[in-house]
Amino acid sequence: DTGVSQDPRHKITKRGQNVTFRCDPISEHNRLYWYRQTLGQGPEFLTYFQNEAQLEKSRLLSDRFSAERPKGSFSTLEIQRTEQGDSAMYLCASTFKVGKSGANVLTFGAGSRLTVL
Amino acid sequence: GQNIDQPTEMTATEGAIVQINCTYQTSGFNGLFWYQQHAGEAPTFLSYNVLDGLEEKGRFSSFLSRSKGYSYLLLKELQMKDSASYLCAVDAPEEEYGNKLVFGAGTILRVKS
Repeated sequence: DTGVSQDPRHKITKRGQNVTFRCDPISEHNRLYWYRQTLGQGPEFLTYFQNEAQLEKSRLLSDRFSAERPKGSFSTLEIQRTEQGDSAMYLCASTFKVGKSGANVLTFGAGSRLTVL
Repeated sequence: GQNIDQPTEMTATEGAIVQINCTYQTSGFNGLFWYQQHAGEAPTFLSYNVLDGLEEKGRFSSFLSRSKGYSYLLLKELQMKDSASYLCAVDAPEEEYGNKLVFGAGTILRVKS
């Protein structure tokens, strides 16, 4: 297993266009997270899945953002009608966890950097 | 609400010891993490504390005081490659299934020779 993979690594788009990012987690991991990170800030939680179920979505996430994990394996994050404020690094992370207790060690992918012109 | 504070930047000399502090206020607590992030790269896991006290792992140690909402990361025998951002994160379950890490803004550590 090569860890968490994200594609594309870089995306430049014009305002108003739609973009989609893909994340392939570590194969035995049941939980998958999406975070967004801007320069000088820590990662900001967007949403997460346990298997194929989307269990939580940040209140900061507008309805232009949608994420799926159709078969409980890879996930996609789509941003519709992109705005310049969407420019950021989109990080995917995965972990294996059952229940609420115990360490929740996330393994991050290298990220997909979005630039909206 | 959730709030995690850490210094923005620190500078230290190669071979020295540096302590990076983190204070947190969260509505729940299931452990505190430290991650290292080099510029343009993914965050990588360094340490996890859920009970009070010091956890040592090679040149890195992490301390937690739950009653004070306080943690620190201690880096010994600093090397140039330790120049990076150090992220403090709290596992703060709120919802029934909620388990997400809430990150601070990170502390940029610059190691000089």
